[in-house]
Amino acid sequence: GEDVEQSLFLSVREGDSSVINCTYTDSSSTYLYWYKQEPGAGLQLLTYIFSNMDMKQDQRLTVLLNKKDKHLSLRIADTQTGDSAIYFCAESTDDYKLSFGAGTTVTVRA
Amino acid sequence: GAVVSQHPSWVICKSGTSVKIECRSLDFQATTMFWYRQFPKQSLMLMATSNEGSKATYEQGVEKDKFLINHASLTLSTLTVTSAHPEDSSFYICSARDLTVEQYFGPGTRLTVT
Repeated sequence: GEDVEQSLFLSVREGDSSVINCTYTDSSSTYLYWYKQEPGAGLQLLTYIFSNMDMKQDQRLTVLLNKKDKHLSLRIADTQTGDSAIYFCAESTDDYKLSFGAGTTVTVRA
Repeated sequence: GAVVSQHPSWVICKSGTSVKIECRSLDFQATTMFWYRQFPKQSLMLMATSNEGSKATYEQGVEKDKFLINHASLTLSTLTVTSAHPEDSSFYICSARDLTVEQYFGPGTRLTVT
């Protein structure tokens, strides 16, 4: 797959908003995803966005997509301790093969 | 809904032996299943795509004779690591997709080859 890059670490205070950023290189990406992985567990799909959308909101999660800059972000409002995990950005074309970023480890401090 | 299971959750085997990992979609029919490999503190790398009733397609650099994939039904895919070596030790994760965009991941199988 094509390259997907994201920052490796994010530390945030409980109650604040978290913003995780991701960039990708494949201009033919159709879908962009955010997954959450807790220690020792598999991946949980948080949300996804079609490439023809700019924004998607789902409760505390807001995804912003800048297709021109190939930049994707995930904002978590009112971050809680249970949000501590690794967050993966991923993209796919119509074949649904996922290319993942390296993951951002989010640590929520009291 | 949309639960994917893997069995076993962890396995230790001796070098030179083969290990089979099962991936099952429990409450939906998976038209496609994917197999990924994850090294510690790294991202997931796609190994192969498996469609029911047809041969798996492997990503570049993945040895198809070493990683045998069988997708016998719409709810079961298996990955067999043949003649395992210590460098095959890794976390193997499967995912399953129905007819929608969403892909559901199994909890993973930790393979350790001694």
